[in-house]
Amino acid sequence: GDSVTQTEGPVTVSESESLIINCTYSATSIAYPNLFWYVRYPGEGLQLLLKVITAGQKGSSRGFEATYNKETTSFHLQKASVQESDSAVYYCALGDRGSNAKLTFGKGTKLSVKS
Amino acid sequence: NSKVIQTPRYLVKGQGQKAKMRCIPEKGHPVVFWYQQNKNNEFKFLINFQNQEVLQQIDMTEKRFSAECPSNSPCSLEIQSSEAGDSALYLCASSLRLGSYAEQFFGPGTRLTVL
Repeated sequence: GDSVTQTEGPVTVSESESLIINCTYSATSIAYPNLFWYVRYPGEGLQLLLKVITAGQKGSSRGFEATYNKETTSFHLQKASVQESDSAVYYCALGDRGSNAKLTFGKGTKLSVKS
Repeated sequence: NSKVIQTPRYLVKGQGQKAKMRCIPEKGHPVVFWYQQNKNNEFKFLINFQNQEVLQQIDMTEKRFSAECPSNSPCSLEIQSSEAGDSALYLCASSLRLGSYAEQFFGPGTRLTVL
């Protein structure tokens, strides 16, 4: 089946440092999956951070970026300078392009940013 | 911010008991998903609907789980005879259209504990 593997947490970084959370996927039943990063802030529900539906393209939001790399089947999340408010759990996910719209999630990476 | 409402937020049941949880999707969203996130943070897709029609469901759902999205009423997910392994966070998500490129908006979840 399809699967997503991401950096095991927890990850702790200091404010203004750079961040990378690795995500690789295996899409055995989907030729060209759509790729997503979702985030869960403390006390809140899952929300979409960014998505990319075309291989080779980059998505960005709130200072975060991720590039859809079909060759390495990766979709790493990066930020040049993190803030304390970025502390959250980040989930990488893939979805089918077809009518089967379910998402396959990774296990999440808990990020703590120290001030 | 998501406006998907899930009730109750916490549910405690004994083994063999019924467990029922409800979801009100965002207004105007005809597509509804249920996911299970277990204590290992693994997500599992359970079932999805478009309006009142079931689109896809996994085998586990077909045996002890039942779900519906009646017109003009909240969607619901019910476990007929709860087992310890059903203890998890149950997430409801809604979407404006079918297709994984369409953003799924998640509720806060119902945390089920089966004693």
